[in-house]
Amino acid sequence: KQEVTQIPAALSVPEGENLVLNCSFTDSAIYNLQWFRQDPGKGLTSLLLIQSSQREQTSGRLNASLDKSSGRSTLYIAASQPGDSATYLCAVSRNNNAGNMLTFGGGTRLMVKP
Amino acid sequence: GAVVSQHPSRVICKSGTSVKIECRSLDFQATTMFWYRQFPKQSLMLMATSNEGSKATYEQGVEKDKFLINHASLTLSTLTVTSAHPEDSSFYICSARGMDSREKPQHFGDGTRLSIL
Repeated sequence: KQEVTQIPAALSVPEGENLVLNCSFTDSAIYNLQWFRQDPGKGLTSLLLIQSSQREQTSGRLNASLDKSSGRSTLYIAASQPGDSATYLCAVSRNNNAGNMLTFGGGTRLMVKP
Repeated sequence: GAVVSQHPSRVICKSGTSVKIECRSLDFQATTMFWYRQFPKQSLMLMATSNEGSKATYEQGVEKDKFLINHASLTLSTLTVTSAHPEDSSFYICSARGMDSREKPQHFGDGTRLSIL
């Protein structure tokens, strides 16, 4: 059974810092890995998707890497801003008879202080 | 980008009531929709996967008769929580995936907060 772990569970940093969020998974047989952002009481916004054949994806100040063999991914946020405060979730996809399914990590709650 | 609309956003009702939550894909045909449950400060747990026109596939431990899922069209799936009790109070989120997009992102609704008194 796939298990996804995110470290740290919570993080508080001053504005402007570069930071790294970690995600690990136990089964390397994945289709892809996604990083999401969730604001309180809201749904999920997809930030980056890395296919299993890729090693990284970049979007603006965000960079996500994937090391499938070691079961790890990192989300790098450059020059953090208060607006980045949210919960960040990573999820890996796996296949079942009904289609690819996502297994989520527990999330990292990020607070960026002005 | 693709938009998934979930309605209602919040429901407060008495114990014993049945509650229906709708999930609509607004600008694409969703062949597969997923229903998740999220407890406070916890991650999302997949409840079931539904493909248009066929029965939903439920995850282990999810009661089929409790959580009825219907995916009758390519743009609409519904989750009905039957005879809801306080322990069913949670945040329910749906997501949708289009045709031939197994390797593409799922698109998520904004969630429904269900509170059973």
